[in-house]
Amino acid sequence: KAGVTQTPRYLIKTRGQQVTLSCSPISGHRSVSWYQQTPGQGLQFLFEYFSETQRNKGNFPGRFSGRQFSNSRSEMNVSTLELGDSALYLCASSLDGPGTISPLHFGNGTRLTVT
Amino acid sequence: ELKVEQNPLFLSMQEGKNYTIYCNYSTTSDRLYWYRQDPGKSLESLFVLLSNGAVKQEGRLMASLDTKARLSTLHITAAVHDLSATYFCAVVSNFGNEKLTFGTGTRLTIIP
Repeated sequence: KAGVTQTPRYLIKTRGQQVTLSCSPISGHRSVSWYQQTPGQGLQFLFEYFSETQRNKGNFPGRFSGRQFSNSRSEMNVSTLELGDSALYLCASSLDGPGTISPLHFGNGTRLTVT
Repeated sequence: ELKVEQNPLFLSMQEGKNYTIYCNYSTTSDRLYWYRQDPGKSLESLFVLLSNGAVKQEGRLMASLDTKARLSTLHITAAVHDLSATYFCAVVSNFGNEKLTFGTGTRLTIIP
């Protein structure tokens, strides 16, 4: 069974640009959640989608957005990039979502560097 | 706002020794998860603890949950080098939405 696939693995962007990250969940998983990992702030929840609907959102500005498609694949978009957006962005999928008996399965992440 | 704290943040221990990582959280929850992250890698699920008194064991790792004390422990028995990694606990509050809040992480280094 294929795991969670995130593309691209690495991205370098300049301030003010926008970026789109992609996540393909494990087959059959309907929940996809996104996390930002930085050395200073640790792992922070961005948002979670379930069956194409955003169920939860973390405390990030509106520049961070996402969506989920009917095949459960998800994309995350960051507009007007800032230096502080440099981070490892992790996508995780599960059958029923965070906080349930089914654990999250994480992808390898996308390392975003903003210069 | 749910806060999750782990201690210690850094831990160096010799092979063969036992140690415990602590995870404290600030609000009522009976759902707690432990994850492992190797350097440069993603997170791997270790344990899912869903009730007070839950205890799970896998190899040299054992996790427990005390919801009254708002505390989970990850106990390492007779540590081996392969256990070197960063360990995270994560909690979902019983109130409000189903956000998963991660602890600060404990970077564990096992010294031969």
